[in-house]
Amino acid sequence: DIQMTQSPSTLSASVGDRVTITCRASQSINNWLAWYQQKPGKAPKLLIYRASSLKSGVPSRFSGSGSGAEFTLTINSLQPDDFATYYCQQYNSYSTFGQGTKVDIK
Amino acid sequence: QITLKESGPTLVKPTQTLTLTCTFSGVSLRTSEVGVGWIRQPPGKALECLALIYWDDDKLYSPSLKHRLTITQDTSKNQVVLTMTNMDPVDTATYYCVIVDSGWYAFWGQGTLVSVSS
Repeated sequence: DIQMTQSPSTLSASVGDRVTITCRASQSINNWLAWYQQKPGKAPKLLIYRASSLKSGVPSRFSGSGSGAEFTLTINSLQPDDFATYYCQQYNSYSTFGQGTKVDIK
Repeated sequence: QITLKESGPTLVKPTQTLTLTCTFSGVSLRTSEVGVGWIRQPPGKALECLALIYWDDDKLYSPSLKHRLTITQDTSKNQVVLTMTNMDPVDTATYYCVIVDSGWYAFWGQGTLVSVSS
């Protein structure tokens, strides 16, 4: 199984901050990686697929980068609506998620 | 507009079999590269992919749960059914149905909380 490790587990930030979340795979997954945002009591929402492709309708302050085994999700100018938990997901071999990164208010 | 809805019991007893149905609209499982999957999330914990079924009836299962899972599709009804045998309290979770597009989960149902308790 491919293991996905996100860091940090929790991140405290302020509105307007630039936030970076890292996701590392236990082996190369090429660029077969997606990012999701989940708010309490709600289903996750797709933000990015193929490591860096932004889903239609997702604000451009979200961006993804990386390939191989290391990836990042960056949120430029954090907005109040962005406080949530973020998950990465690999789909190179079956499918596994990271453990999540909670972005909360500093 | 693509919508999905999960249905099934909210409470099952230990050792029982869980059957969940995903009813979806706005997309066809006859479309190449499209699939339907089941994801679960125990309270306060991370997401876990359980099973996927694709347009060509290819099926993938979580390696650790494969022996307990069966996923089937009824394309005429736009439904996908997941069965999980020998339920245990650790299987208490919100179960989500998703549309799979080339590997990523493009659309999600609202989820259904299933509790396992005697």
